[in-house]
Amino acid sequence: LAKTTQPISMDSYEGQEVNITCSHNNIATNDYITWYQQFPSQGPRFIIQGYKTKVTNEVASLFIPADRKSSTLSLPRVSLSDTAVYYCLVGGGDGSGNTGKLIFGQGTTLQVKP
Amino acid sequence: DSGVTQTPKHLITATGQRVTLRCSPRSGDLSVYWYQQSLDQGLQFLIQYYNGEERAKGNILERFSAQQFPDLHSELNLSSLELGDSALYFCASTATSDRGHSPLHFGNGTRLTVT
Repeated sequence: LAKTTQPISMDSYEGQEVNITCSHNNIATNDYITWYQQFPSQGPRFIIQGYKTKVTNEVASLFIPADRKSSTLSLPRVSLSDTAVYYCLVGGGDGSGNTGKLIFGQGTTLQVKP
Repeated sequence: DSGVTQTPKHLITATGQRVTLRCSPRSGDLSVYWYQQSLDQGLQFLIQYYNGEERAKGNILERFSAQQFPDLHSELNLSSLELGDSALYFCASTATSDRGHSPLHFGNGTRLTVT
């Protein structure tokens, strides 16, 4: 079971790039790394997922080094609406519904200031 | 809209009572996960079902039980409720992919208040 460690909180200003790093030292071979965003009183929302190297979509980039023991979520030019809790989740499955316990860590509370 | 529907949105009940929370997964998703999130706490994994079968279990209390029905909707039953059970309960669903892991799609939760 891959445990994740993230900073508890981060502050940033509008227009800056924000990088949130997650450590997952005992990641398994078939585990993927997925990041979620959660606003108060809402369910978490999928942001990005990757297995290795770099993944980019319209809202974020995900950097994963070769050893896969950590990952970095990069949010370009954040705005006030990006203030939220960000979770990294490590897990995988065998393609037939056996994913094991998908356990979220404590998350990182990002506060974006004007 | 994630496509995951949870009902009811809010539930207020008294200690000692029993409630049932319902979740309809996204169309085609076979896996359902239940999470509990207390005030200012993280997401606690409770249980996972896949195509009607229990596949993974977290620190779910014995007073709590769940099932997934043939139409793939799921119910979480909470009994002998205590004040500490007050929380947001989230359901999430995933598809089964060739890669072995698909992102979780969460509903908007049921807010349970035990008085």
